[in-house]
Amino acid sequence: GEDVEQSLFLSVREGDSSVINCTYTDSSSTYLYWYKQEPGAGLQLLTYIFSNMDMKQDQRLTVLLNKKDKHLSLRIADTQTGDSAIYFCAESIRGNNRLAFGKGNQVVVIP
Amino acid sequence: DADVTQTPRNRITKTGKRIMLECSQTKGHDRMYWYRQDPGLGLRLIYYSFDVKDINKGEISDGYSVSRQAQAKFSLSLESAIPNQTALYFCATSDLYSPVNTEAFFGQGTRLTVV
Repeated sequence: GEDVEQSLFLSVREGDSSVINCTYTDSSSTYLYWYKQEPGAGLQLLTYIFSNMDMKQDQRLTVLLNKKDKHLSLRIADTQTGDSAIYFCAESIRGNNRLAFGKGNQVVVIP
Repeated sequence: DADVTQTPRNRITKTGKRIMLECSQTKGHDRMYWYRQDPGLGLRLIYYSFDVKDINKGEISDGYSVSRQAQAKFSLSLESAIPNQTALYFCATSDLYSPVNTEAFFGQGTRLTVV
């Protein structure tokens, strides 16, 4: 079955790095995604990684994928107050052609 | 203008009332979705549609119905609203031919309160 797990809350000081973790179950997922939800807004695609990659870096964001353990992480370097949001990981579900989302991880950046 | 527009943005309704949430998109995507978001539960899929003639139940479809009036429009109805349907509802679209495979574009959300 499809099940995406995330921890719920993280606080981090401005300027520090923050790491959000996620585990997923569908080993056939083609892509894994990180979405960001700012207060009062919908979800916005932040970054993604193709399943045959181990790492992807995009400016302050680093995505690490451990396919053996089905573990996905998002590292935000030099965290800023604008990074305060809820972050969702999601996996693409083959066969159903849709996404399964984790429960979200709220990140609060302390000035 | 937003690519995915939801109306209304906020709604308070009484138990037992029928309510419709509307979604329209300008992205030209065939695939549309309705999710609800509850604190601590993340996003759960209610219904999805891969084209105008294709409607599929998601994981929590009971108490809801949908209508795909056109490629650009997908509405969600609560035939008889109940308080535990109080939630934030999101419409989303995706493109079959997206290079990142089912990347979803979300509306701003509709906050529904059933009293």
